[in-house]
Amino acid sequence: DGGITQSPKYLFRKEGQNVTLSCEQNLNHDAMYWYRQDPGQGLRLIYYSQIVNDFQKGDIAEGYSVSREKKESFPLTVTSAQKNPTAFYLCASKAGLARNTGELFFGEGSRLTVL
Amino acid sequence: GIQVEQSPPDLILQEGANSTLRCNFSDSVNNLQWFHQNPWGQLINLFYIPSGTKQNGRLSATTVATERYSLLYISSSQTTDSGVYFCAFFPRAGSYQLTFGKGTKLSVIP
Repeated sequence: DGGITQSPKYLFRKEGQNVTLSCEQNLNHDAMYWYRQDPGQGLRLIYYSQIVNDFQKGDIAEGYSVSREKKESFPLTVTSAQKNPTAFYLCASKAGLARNTGELFFGEGSRLTVL
Repeated sequence: GIQVEQSPPDLILQEGANSTLRCNFSDSVNNLQWFHQNPWGQLINLFYIPSGTKQNGRLSATTVATERYSLLYISSSQTTDSGVYFCAFFPRAGSYQLTFGKGTKLSVIP
């Protein structure tokens, strides 16, 4: 089945450690996104990528890094510089290269807890 | 940027009741979508509805782009409908960023 797979679903990290969240899609979508959601809040954009080897910062990119070496993969690294990394992270993808049209689809999310 | 307001913010329904959720936005938008976030956090696509009306089982949605609102109808609600409902859109001015409303938290009780 086509879809977006995020892993791991749950992750615990000690302060000072980097952690990488995986996002893979087999929908042949061009654009991919990472969002962060805090309890009781809406979604905030961390990074997005319209094409391979290109990505742009969203509203809250500080303390995060991404890569887009393959069309189907868009991993997110939460670095030790992120001051409050405990959150629910959602990856999304969209077909087409137009920035503001098309339907977004989301993965099941990764819940990161920093101990 | 475009302002978006979802109402009501919270809603409690008896199982079997009907409800209407509303999404108002302050300017022209592309790409309006409705999502259901279940208690496990998963965001499920309900409708991609830039304009017009669509129906899927007990759910239907209507977007009136010229009047800057969208409605989500839930009929014969079930406990599995509980969760948070978000509307989201791309501002028409070319933004890459999908703008989300703050959501309507729905609780359906038996």
